Parts: sequence; structure tokens; C-alpha cells
Amino acid sequence: NAGVTQTPKFQVLKTGQSMTLQCAQDMNHEYMSWYRQDPGMGLRLIHYSVGAGITDQGEVPNGYNVSRSTTEDFPLRLLSAAPSQTSVYFCASSPGLSLEQYFGPGTRLTVT
Amino acid sequence: AQKVTQAQTEISVVEKEDVTLDCVYETRDTTYYLFWYKQPPSGELVFLIRRNSFDEQNEISGRYSWNFQKSTSSFNFTITASQVVDSAVYFCALRDTGNQFYFGTGTSLTVIP
Repeated sequence: NAGVTQTPKFQVLKTGQSMTLQCAQDMNHEYMSWYRQDPGMGLRLIHYSVGAGITDQGEVPNGYNVSRSTTEDFPLRLLSAAPSQTSVYFCASSPGLSLEQYFGPGTRLTVT
Repeated sequence: AQKVTQAQTEISVVEKEDVTLDCVYETRDTTYYLFWYKQPPSGELVFLIRRNSFDEQNEISGRYSWNFQKSTSSFNFTITASQVVDSAVYFCALRDTGNQFYFGTGTSLTVIP
């Protein structure tokens, strides 16, 4: 049981490049979400999904896309990276909205 | 408006002292859930506790205790006899009837040996 996995652990991008951060969970959780963590800002929700085929925007969705074609996977796409997207990204899953979230190990992204 | 406020940005205590981390939340819903997470220096996020709005009982788990008061919209976390391993950033979070979780900005706790 791997829990929530994220790849890559570290990534450096140039401004304007695109990339996908991968997130997978093997716990059959319906709810998945993406956060970014910046110094002094806590965790801010980017996008979330309450089940396969359903996604919605969180607090800071601009510049990011998501899709949820399966229960297990919830990739986050940066279409045209900007230095403001330099951050640590966490993926999380939960068996229900009233229950705790389980977090992946994070991806540290630097955009130059 | 910020839904979860952790006014203490940084706290330092000497080992074996007790410390309380404050969390104030804002919601108009009658049904909601509160959480505490710990983020040690290694960076992972570790779940500590969940509390629903209908359960105001305080909880104790070893050296950790939580005080939930609906009257003041607070869900404070106390560590008794702090240890160096308690050094971490602690986050309070809220989930109300929307589908989103709201996190506070965190309190960085340093326990000095």
C-alpha cells in the first residue's frame, strides 16, 4: 500500500515551459486535491476532485489544469510556467469530505 | 475573509515546557470539520486529529490535547512537556459544507533542548 505518490520530487523549469505533476493513490479514495505551499501562506487549494470525471477550482486555480479520468490518478498541468509558480506542490486524497486527507511527499518546483 | 487564522507565526519554547497553538476559524455552517496537521522539517504532512462541529469534547492523546470551543470558534492545540521532536510547523484546517479544505498559515514551533 503506497498511499499517495507524487512524481517528480524536484523539477526546474524555464519560463514558458509546460509540464505535468503526477499524483496517484492506491486507497480508492474519491476525493483528491492539489495544494501549493509558499512561505508564510500556508497551503492553498489549487484544484480538487470529488470523483472520477469531476473537477473543480480551488482558491488559486489560474495557470493550472487538472483532469480525473480514473479514481487513482489526478495530474496537475502547468501550461506555461511562470516564476510565480515556484512553490512546493502537495497532492492529497481522502476517503470522504468529512475525513482527513492523506498527503503525498510533495514536489518542489522552481521556475526560472 | 480568511476562514482559518493561526495568529502565532513562530513560537519557541524550552524542552519540557507546555505550549498552546491557537486556531480560530470562521464559518456560518452548523456542520463542519476541523483538523490539525504537523509538518516536521522533513516536509511531509502528518494528520493529527479531526473534530466535527457536533462534538465539543476535548481530546487527549498522550502529550497532545485539543480544546474545541464553538462559542469562541476556536480549536486550540496543547503540547504538554514539549520535546525536541515536536519541532515542526503545525497547521489547522477547516472543511465546511463546501467541498474545499481551508488551511491556516501555520505556526512554526521550535523546542529548544
